Amino acid sequence: EAGVTQFPSHSVIEKGQTVTLRCDPISGHDNLYWYRRVMGKEIKFLLHFVKESKQDESGMPNNRFLAERTGGTYSTLKVQPAELEDSGVYFCASSHRSSRVLNTEAFFGQGTRLTVV
Amino acid sequence: AQKVTQAQTEISVVEKEDVTLDCVYETRDTTYYLFWYKQPPSGELVFLIRRNSFDEQNEISGRYSWNFQKSTSSFNFTITASQVVDSAVYFCALSEAGANSKLTFGKGITLSVRP
Repeated sequence: EAGVTQFPSHSVIEKGQTVTLRCDPISGHDNLYWYRRVMGKEIKFLLHFVKESKQDESGMPNNRFLAERTGGTYSTLKVQPAELEDSGVYFCASSHRSSRVLNTEAFFGQGTRLTVV
Repeated sequence: AQKVTQAQTEISVVEKEDVTLDCVYETRDTTYYLFWYKQPPSGELVFLIRRNSFDEQNEISGRYSWNFQKSTSSFNFTITASQVVDSAVYFCALSEAGANSKLTFGKGITLSVRP
């Protein structure tokens, strides 16, 4: 079974440009999450989809970030226009839908390393 | 608010040594989950363990063991007889129970195991 796949693995762009990151979750996983790790800091939550709906986007830093999940399958995260502080590793994770009592573990992709210069 | 503290940033050991990675957490929830993830050089985060707040039993899986103590809000991870392949960044994480199971991570501990 394929794991969580992220494209591209690396991206270097200039300040002001647009970049789109893609995540393909594990087939059948309703939950999809985006996280970001800025150099030397914690991995921080950005947002959570349940199927195609945004369940929680409290971690999105500002309106330069736009996430979509077409048809509840793959997801994209667009940064427009990119700023220097957006550099970091962007992780995507997916999991089965959880009950109110039992959390299921999230499976992560290898991340996209974004460098804004 | 939830918080996870991994006070150790980098640890270096010689192969076959035992090593313990510390994790301290803060939460107001009575029901929560604790996790450890491993990030090898290839980059992906690999799930190692999930523990719920009602189960304080220690767990052993091969050379890995976990010590969960609610009294000290700690969930420490020990690798026995470390190997070079254990070299990675290790993250401790916390989530509340419920449908929105987002994770709160610590900063990670970089473990280097030298031959």
